[in-house]
Amino acid sequence: NAGVTQTPKFQVLKTGQSMTLQCAQDMNHEYMSWYRQDPGMGLRLIHYSVGAGITDQGEVPNGYNVSRSTTEDFPLRLLSAAPSQTSVYFCASKEGVTYEQYFGPGTRLTVT
Amino acid sequence: AQSVTQLDSHVSVSEGTPVLLRCNYSSSYSPSLFWYVQHPNKGLQLLLKYTSAATLVKGINGFEAEFKKSETSFHLTKPSAHMSDAAEYFCVVSDRPVGSNYQLIWGAGTKLIIKP
Repeated sequence: NAGVTQTPKFQVLKTGQSMTLQCAQDMNHEYMSWYRQDPGMGLRLIHYSVGAGITDQGEVPNGYNVSRSTTEDFPLRLLSAAPSQTSVYFCASKEGVTYEQYFGPGTRLTVT
Repeated sequence: AQSVTQLDSHVSVSEGTPVLLRCNYSSSYSPSLFWYVQHPNKGLQLLLKYTSAATLVKGINGFEAEFKKSETSFHLTKPSAHMSDAAEYFCVVSDRPVGSNYQLIWGAGTKLIIKP
């Protein structure tokens, strides 16, 4: 199993550009989520999904969109990048009733 | 509302000496508590979790944590530090029951530095 994979590993965007961060898992997990990690703040939940076709907002959803058309994939879209979105983004998945989340390696995004 | 405070942003110990990383939480309900570790430029890995069973929880790599309700603490310890323990450690709390959706609150992290 590859586990949770994320692409790209690094990305630099200009303000106003859009892009999609990719996340995939091969463990058949129902739950998937996106977090951002900023220095001194721990992880904050952006969006999550409890199954294909179902998504919901987390703590900091503004400026981001998600969709979940398959169990495996959970892409995160930045609609119009802003410098405040400079961060490290982590995708995670878990089985339905356990809290143990499996994290991807992260995407380091810089918006100039 | 639930919250979690990691009392030290950095902890430095010598190799072979004990490790103590402190975490205090507040929760309206009976919490579930977790410690995650993040090695440099790597993803996050679950070290251990407390979900209302035994108050002393053993995790991977020789780490353990004790849930103390009266002190609202969940400190992480290891008897003897190893160079490979150098990483950032996150304390996480949730007061939602197992099976609910994502409502985990993350601490700001403690960087553990191991001196040779």
